[in-house]
Amino acid sequence: GESVGLHLPTLSVQEGDNSIINCAYSNSASDYFIWYKQESGKGPQFIIDIRSNMDKRQGQRVTVLLNKTVKHLSLQIAATQPGDSAVYFCAEIHNAGNMLTFGGGTRLMVKP
Amino acid sequence: KAGVTQTPRYLIKTRGQQVTLSCSPISGHRSVSWYQQTPGQGLQFLFEYFSETQRNKGNFPGRFSGRQFSNSRSEMNVSTLELGDSALYLCASSLVASGRRELFFGEGSRLTVL
Repeated sequence: GESVGLHLPTLSVQEGDNSIINCAYSNSASDYFIWYKQESGKGPQFIIDIRSNMDKRQGQRVTVLLNKTVKHLSLQIAATQPGDSAVYFCAEIHNAGNMLTFGGGTRLMVKP
Repeated sequence: KAGVTQTPRYLIKTRGQQVTLSCSPISGHRSVSWYQQTPGQGLQFLFEYFSETQRNKGNFPGRFSGRQFSNSRSEMNVSTLELGDSALYLCASSLVASGRRELFFGEGSRLTVL
């Protein structure tokens, strides 16, 4: 598959452990923050989003936390599985249109 | 339900040539946006079309252009190709123009410029 990013920060976790992927964003005016997962050779896949007026949102095995004070977003993955191995991107968006501004990405590697 | 389809998946061009990439959104989706992905710059927004109108444009030179047809299919064109245009070009479609931000991405068109 393609190399999405040659110099991405990498998080290596043991299967079954929890993973936390962090992201700093820049625009305080963003309306939504979104996490995407990109596997090798594929396009980004939507995981979960959070509105700017919330600080936590939970999905299936995933939780997104938003700290607007320090402009920080995190994705927590519970009981990480080998299938979670991928590059994870945070993105921010405004209500006026579908223009996403992506962060640089973090590569998650899950050790069996 | 078919996903976002991009063609071609891979192509090789030489400097100075031009290229056209195609994107068929998910049926019923009217918003189509394009992104360029490179190892150095990451994912960058190119432009977005909704109901055949360009709604937003990223910070790319005029060599990059696009359009959307009445059936919501979209094409993007890059003229006078440069080596730095080598990238994965991703198309994303969305059901609504605003609101919940679930964009669905295709698998991309991998362009190599020699």
